Amino acid sequence: KQEVTQIPAALSVPEGENLVLNCSFTDSAIYNLQWFRQDPGKGLTSLLLIQSSQREQTSGRLNASLDKSSGRSTLYIAASQPGDSATYLCAAERSGTYKYIFGTGTRLKVLA
Amino acid sequence: NAGVTQTPKFQVLKTGQSMTLQCAQDMNHNSMYWYRQDPGMGLRLIYYSASEGTTDKGEVPNGYNVSRLNKREFSLRLESAAPSQTSVYFCASRIGSNYEQYFGPGTRLTVT
Repeated sequence: KQEVTQIPAALSVPEGENLVLNCSFTDSAIYNLQWFRQDPGKGLTSLLLIQSSQREQTSGRLNASLDKSSGRSTLYIAASQPGDSATYLCAAERSGTYKYIFGTGTRLKVLA
Repeated sequence: NAGVTQTPKFQVLKTGQSMTLQCAQDMNHNSMYWYRQDPGMGLRLIYYSASEGTTDKGEVPNGYNVSRLNKREFSLRLESAAPSQTSVYFCASRIGSNYEQYFGPGTRLTVT
């Protein structure tokens, strides 16, 4: 059974730091991996989608990478800002299933 | 574009009552999903519809039914609500496999 793990569960950093969020999955037959942001009491906002044939995607200060052989994806946030404070979730889709399995998220707090 | 909309935003039910959660998307997406989000459990897939006219069970389908009314709308029904169904429910959609999922704002349901 596919499992998706995000460690740490919570992270607090000073403003301006570069940081890495980790996502591990047990099944190497991953089709897609998507990163989301969730603000308290809100829905999920899509940040980046890495398709199985890709190694990384970039959007502004965000860069996500996918290493299927090691079962890991990382989300790199450059020059963090207080507005980046939110919960970050990753979700992995196994080939041919149409279904995403979500990690439990990393709660990020960026201190001004 | 409104994206993915969900109604109602909040609902309180008594045990044994029934209700339907509504979801609509205006992005001409083929696939639609229902998730529940519980503290410490992450998002779990209840049901999904890969395309109009099809529905399939996800990870936690017991106690729920769904209807893909047309390409735009996907409803989730609780026939006899139980306290264990207290949760935040999210609807999501995407064009199809290999594309990003987009989420609605959620419905916060409490069953007493």
